[in-house]
Amino acid sequence: EAQVTQNPRYLITVTGKKLTVTCSQNMNHEYMSWYRQDPGLGLRQIYYSMNVEVTDKGDVPEGYKVSRKEKRNFPLILESPSPNQTSLYFCASSLSPGGKTQYFGPGTRLLVL
Amino acid sequence: DQQVKQNSPSLSVQEGRISILNCDYTNSMFDYFLWYKKYPAEGPTFLISISSIKDKNEDGRFTVFLNKSAKHLSLHIVPSQPGDSAVYFCAASASGGAGGTSYGKLTFGQGTILTVHP
Repeated sequence: EAQVTQNPRYLITVTGKKLTVTCSQNMNHEYMSWYRQDPGLGLRQIYYSMNVEVTDKGDVPEGYKVSRKEKRNFPLILESPSPNQTSLYFCASSLSPGGKTQYFGPGTRLLVL
Repeated sequence: DQQVKQNSPSLSVQEGRISILNCDYTNSMFDYFLWYKKYPAEGPTFLISISSIKDKNEDGRFTVFLNKSAKHLSLHIVPSQPGDSAVYFCAASASGGAGGTSYGKLTFGQGTILTVHP
């Protein structure tokens, strides 16, 4: 089954404790992206990757890091989480950088205390 | 600066009637528009899209209309069903030209919660 998976689905952590949210897709997609969803703001792009070893900042990259060492994986790293990073996070992928239709993972709900 | 806006946070409709969800954008470089549907505890799923060279695209009960001069698009659902109850996000993309980093990037609206009552 074609899908985008994220882990963990739910996470409660404390300020400053490094965490990683994993994202994996089995569709051989080149383009992957991370979004955060906050009330009244919709989905905002954090980082995206056009292909392996090619990443770039989205609209709200501060406080986040990403890496793309393999085509299927695109982890999101919070080196020192803060309460303002409490949010619902979605990973997405599409067939190519020009692929307009993106497929989303189920989401990771993060609470930073 | 919110480049894609959905000014109605919620919409309530009776089953069988038409649902109309609206979306406005400000960036004239946007040339492709999409609607995504999101159920609780799930990721958004693609619903329908339209290119800026068209003014209408239809897929079953779903039709998207684009008015480029007004920078406005709308999603019509006819007839509405209780299973359509979800959050609907409008999104836009710009081709960005040769080497443009906006290529493939989606800008989303805030979302509209649609409730269809039986």
